[in-house]
Amino acid sequence: SAVISQKPSRDICQRGTSLTIQCQVDSQVTMMFWYRQQPGQSLTLIATANQGSEATYESGFVIDKFPISRPNLTFSTLTVSNMSPEDSSIYLCSARGTSGNTIYFGEGSWLTVV
Amino acid sequence: SQQGEEDPQALSIQEGENATMNCSYKTSINNLQWYRQNSGRGLVHLILIRSNEREKHSGRLRVTLDTSKKSSSLLITASRAADTASYFCATDRYNFNKFYFGSGTKLNVKP
Repeated sequence: SAVISQKPSRDICQRGTSLTIQCQVDSQVTMMFWYRQQPGQSLTLIATANQGSEATYESGFVIDKFPISRPNLTFSTLTVSNMSPEDSSIYLCSARGTSGNTIYFGEGSWLTVV
Repeated sequence: SQQGEEDPQALSIQEGENATMNCSYKTSINNLQWYRQNSGRGLVHLILIRSNEREKHSGRLRVTLDTSKKSSSLLITASRAADTASYFCATDRYNFNKFYFGSGTKLNVKP
């Protein structure tokens, strides 16, 4: 299995600012994903982070709002840009192991926008 | 949710009882997985069932999959207070290489 570390684990952000979340995996993985979980809700896939190229975004999510990088196989960042209170959520990084079937999750980053 | 619904949305039972949660999904899948989440923390992988499997067991967990009905169920037997958590199903859509989550069931096991 893969161990995924995210930071920050929690932050309070001012409206209009941007925050970058980092995700580090301790072993090689094939794919990395970013999810959002709004309070009391399920997980919504934001995008697939592609190594060395632009991320693939799901419907309703755009690169200007959620720029994502993945410079190598085990590291990715998600930026939440120009934040508003509606962006207050848990953001979770996940990775698909080399066996291909199971995805593993970090502990998530709790963002509160005030 | 992006993939489907789970029911019930919330379930409250006594310790020792069995808990059954259901998941329905919308598209053809490669496999279906169940996850547990404690109080908004990261997700813990519980069990994976492939599209060509009908039933799978792991300890106190039993998962069934009916691809004709596009549904799955998770049974937790002899529940414990420590099983209190939210449970989510996730599907790996055929040819998509991504995972979509159901709406989740919040389970409360009373001691």
